[in-house]
Amino acid sequence: EVQLVESGGGLVQPGGSLRLSCAASGFTFSSYWMHWVRQAPGKGLVWVSRINLDGSSTSYADSVKGRFTISRDNAKNTLYLQMNSLRAEDTAVYYCARVPVGGYHFDYWGQGTLVTVSS
Amino acid sequence: QSALTQPASVSGSPGQSITISCTGTSSDVGNYNLVSWYQQHPDKAPKLMIYEGSKRPSGVSNRFSGSKSGNTASLTISGLQAEDEADYYCCSYAGSGLYVFGTGTKVTVL
Repeated sequence: EVQLVESGGGLVQPGGSLRLSCAASGFTFSSYWMHWVRQAPGKGLVWVSRINLDGSSTSYADSVKGRFTISRDNAKNTLYLQMNSLRAEDTAVYYCARVPVGGYHFDYWGQGTLVTVSS
Repeated sequence: QSALTQPASVSGSPGQSITISCTGTSSDVGNYNLVSWYQQHPDKAPKLMIYEGSKRPSGVSNRFSGSKSGNTASLTISGLQAEDEADYYCCSYAGSGLYVFGTGTKVTVL
């Protein structure tokens, strides 16, 4: 069974940093591109970032470029999102999601982890 | 990277059909046949309902169908059921490794 489990969320002050993790199981993690998607409280889904199979290629939404870094450890079957210079508007539930081989859609999602940026 | 435009809400009675539109630009929806649709119930993770414009994943009811014309994609739910009440989001590949979601539509079953 495919499982994606996010962790690392919590309360952080503006300007602070946080690292999210997404532990993958039930599939060959190194064979799939992975993404982060976020959802502010009561708001819609927003695509954040994606990473290719070996981590050599990444993309970011303009709103997080230069502040967030996506990475992966295929030996640990884990996806990461390092978030720096956090702002109040980064407050959201962060989901990791898998893209199937050759696809451009998200076939499995984690349950999400809440990040709250507040003083 | 502007969000795709969806109606805020759509409603219908049980058994009826409803259609949700998703309007983008020639850089995203109009340029790729790579629109996907997601259903999200309250406090739940999104669920894939349609991919590549009109394909249904295994296990998704055939009451859900997708289409595209120009810069606008559409999701149709036929034979509306109570469990279809949820938020729905479209998403399109926008080139250069970028993606964009729609603004979301709340579906209410009357």
